[in-house]
Amino acid sequence: RKEVEQDPGPFNVPEGATVAFNCTYSNSASQSFFWYRQDCRKEPKLLMSVYSSGNEDGRFTAQLNRASQYISLLIRDSKLSDSATYLCVVNGPGGGYNKLIFGAGTRLAVHP
Amino acid sequence: DAGVIQSPRHEVTEMGQEVTLRCKPISGHNSLFWYRQTMMRGLELLIYFNNNVPIDDSGMPEDRFSAKMPNASFSTLKIQPSEPRDSAVYFCASSFRQGVGWEQYFGPGTRLTVT
Repeated sequence: RKEVEQDPGPFNVPEGATVAFNCTYSNSASQSFFWYRQDCRKEPKLLMSVYSSGNEDGRFTAQLNRASQYISLLIRDSKLSDSATYLCVVNGPGGGYNKLIFGAGTRLAVHP
Repeated sequence: DAGVIQSPRHEVTEMGQEVTLRCKPISGHNSLFWYRQTMMRGLELLIYFNNNVPIDDSGMPEDRFSAKMPNASFSTLKIQPSEPRDSAVYFCASSFRQGVGWEQYFGPGTRLTVT
């Protein structure tokens, strides 16, 4: 089983749609969770951290379920500029909080 | 503020040649990471440093790869000799250790092609 698993997509949605991405992780000791965004041929950039209580940043909402080892990202009112690959990230075993394990990413394409 | 700086941005070399990738982390950050990204394997952590000391190099593929961090503002990743399967985008990232949840900031990457 992969340490971080994501649905690879692609998700093709029209502008204005709501889309949700899911992610599961295998290490129950993980304590740090993030969503990163990567545009084509660019570096990954932090989108948002994921907190136990869930958190929201504008159109983006992240949820964490520790019991199920499950993380989600909800994007409301999708924009063309949201088209990118979304990487689910957790801190890994053995390396303490510093070692991050990246999922393979979920590709989102928003069309007019 | 300047972000993570990597050089060169693109490198094309022949098999067997030595390749050196360079990274300048964000000033004040005390952790530095080297990643490799390919279509097949995604983003893989190669090695990371805390306060210039290598902490985990378990991701370094083999002895042809080596990394150094002589000071807080500079790191190198060296491949000697290079092979075509080393072709990938190599990212450097840095972070500031401040409790749980250390966010990493990535450089633009070096796109390496070994022919």
